[in-house]
Amino acid sequence: DVKVTQSSRYLVKRTGEKVFLECVQDMDHENMFWYRQDPGLGLRLIYFSYDVKMKEKGDIPEGYSVSREKKERFSLILESASTNQTSMYLCATLGYLIVNEQFFGPGTRLTVL
Amino acid sequence: GDSVTQMEGPVTLSEEAFLTINCTYTATGYPSLFWYVQYPGEGLQLLLKATKADDKGSNKGFEATYRKETTSFHLEKGSVQVSDSAVYFCALSDTGNQFYFGTGTSLTVIP
Repeated sequence: DVKVTQSSRYLVKRTGEKVFLECVQDMDHENMFWYRQDPGLGLRLIYFSYDVKMKEKGDIPEGYSVSREKKERFSLILESASTNQTSMYLCATLGYLIVNEQFFGPGTRLTVL
Repeated sequence: GDSVTQMEGPVTLSEEAFLTINCTYTATGYPSLFWYVQYPGEGLQLLLKATKADDKGSNKGFEATYRKETTSFHLEKGSVQVSDSAVYFCALSDTGNQFYFGTGTSLTVIP
């Protein structure tokens, strides 16, 4: 089974801090995604990457950046955290050999005070 | 653009009741359609999928049929259990790389 892990389940940060959310997958998948999940809004795509050092903006990239230095690791960076970035963050992967199925990590619940 | 609209919740049912969660979609091409489930405290996991019109996806007693004429993919289960309590997301993928999710429907099943 594909395993997608995220560095923290719960995180509390202060406004203005730089925040790193890490995602690691063990199945050599090319595509990786970062979403945020908010009540009533579902999942919204922040960024995705289809290869090492490649990144594409999703629907809500403002206030975020990403890094993909190795195939198995995709990091989401909040340069200066704000209270409106309090949310659940979900990482997902997608492989070319498995048609159209995303595999999700357990999520990181981030609170910005 | 592509989008998914699903029935708002929350939904509360008694054990063994029949479940329907409605989902309709808008897409320019011929998307694949999915239902994902999120149990409390966990990430999303695939429940079932259908890749072309008239396909029926099924898993764990849940079913959904890809209806191109009504652009729908409604989730059904004949007899829900307490363990089915979760949030259910309808999703589509047109290109294979990007997914579009509905807002989620919370289901609570009471004994």
